[in-house]
Amino acid sequence: SAVISQKPSRDICQRGTSLTIQCQVDSQVTMMFWYRQQPGQSLTLIATANQGSEATYESGFVIDKFPISRPNLTFSTLTVSNMSPEDSSIYLCSVLRSTEAFFGQGTRLTVV
Amino acid sequence: GESVGLHLPTLSVQEGDNSIINCAYSNSASDYFIWYKQESGKGPQFIIDIRSNMDKRQGQRVTVLLNKTVKHLSLQIAATQPGDSAVYFCAENYGYNFNKFYFGSGTKLNVKP
Repeated sequence: SAVISQKPSRDICQRGTSLTIQCQVDSQVTMMFWYRQQPGQSLTLIATANQGSEATYESGFVIDKFPISRPNLTFSTLTVSNMSPEDSSIYLCSVLRSTEAFFGQGTRLTVV
Repeated sequence: GESVGLHLPTLSVQEGDNSIINCAYSNSASDYFIWYKQESGKGPQFIIDIRSNMDKRQGQRVTVLLNKTVKHLSLQIAATQPGDSAVYFCAENYGYNFNKFYFGSGTKLNVKP
């Protein structure tokens, strides 16, 4: 298994501001993934974060809105920029061990 | 792409009964599937997986069935318990080297004591 810690666990933010979410893994991993889970919905992959290269974004997500850092093999950040109420979601960090994806507990973001 | 915004479908079962949760996946090239359980306030947790060269796999109290012809997965939970109450998602993988998972819409399981 993998131990994944996310910070903050929840936040309430003003529209127009930005929030950076941190993800720390207990051991080195090549790939880290960021997902969004809107209220009452499933998980949607935002991007794949590789150490030493730019993140790869899924359709509908752009770097200007969701910049990602991956400074080393155990850490990543996701920033939600210029927030609007539509960004209110749970944001989850995930890693792969073998073929299984493990998830952090998520960051619950409310934009007011 | 993203799911359209709808409330999750709910399955209500009596404690001790068997539960069957269904999932339609999107990509005929998907070759690996996982069922996840998500309890309130937590991230998804692995339940059971299956590869595309199998049509059935059993775990402890859980069985996953795969029908590639109609792109359908099901999760069977035997003797459902109150602790099984959660949202269940299927996830499919078709990225290079199993590097990406795409999640189905999810089903909320409500177990009545």
